[in-house]
Amino acid sequence: DTGVSQDPRHKITKRGQNVTFRCDPISEHNRLYWYRQTLGQGPEFLTYFQNEAQLEKSRLLSDRFSAERPKGSFSTLEIQRTEQGDSAMYLCASSLGPGERSGELFFGEGSRLTVL
Amino acid sequence: DQQVKQNSPSLSVQEGRISILNCDYTNSMFDYFLWYKKYPAEGPTFLISISSIKDKNEDGRFTVFLNKSAKHLSLHIVPSQPGDSAVYFCVGQGAQKLVFGQGTRLTINP
Repeated sequence: DTGVSQDPRHKITKRGQNVTFRCDPISEHNRLYWYRQTLGQGPEFLTYFQNEAQLEKSRLLSDRFSAERPKGSFSTLEIQRTEQGDSAMYLCASSLGPGERSGELFFGEGSRLTVL
Repeated sequence: DQQVKQNSPSLSVQEGRISILNCDYTNSMFDYFLWYKKYPAEGPTFLISISSIKDKNEDGRFTVFLNKSAKHLSLHIVPSQPGDSAVYFCVGQGAQKLVFGQGTRLTINP
């Protein structure tokens, strides 16, 4: 296992369409995070999971967004009825969980969404 | 509200000299502060961290200083190398999540 992998790397869609991103974390990591990064800004927290439980969601995560981690392994982030403002890089990260060196998340390369 | 601020969007330093990246924060509840580094087309990678109860942490060429009274931290890189050219994010960690600054693009000139 070489790291966090995300798919697809780039998605171009038309406004109003639904899109889904997948994240495969490092296999022994219990925690999985989703972040969003727009141009010129740092990544912004969206949500995180401890195993299969979604423990926190940001106010940025509108009701058009849903994230799942059904078996505590991979995760999906779905955006329904996409808007142009959803265009961003969606980053997934994982960590061991409680007890790991605080703050060290391992990020994937991201999935870039372009909404036309 | 911008809890972590990096007021310099870019910094250019000559190879071999010291690079100093600065960061200010407003949230006193952060437990740790971290610096992440990002190359183009890659995700951010962890560089160095400091506990909120410390004032300095050093790891090889990288040193992070924390001034809690001023709510300020800085990252020193010495000597700077061409491979250090990247975007650096200052990050506060609290309540199980990371809060990123806007980033500073560091360019090391030969």
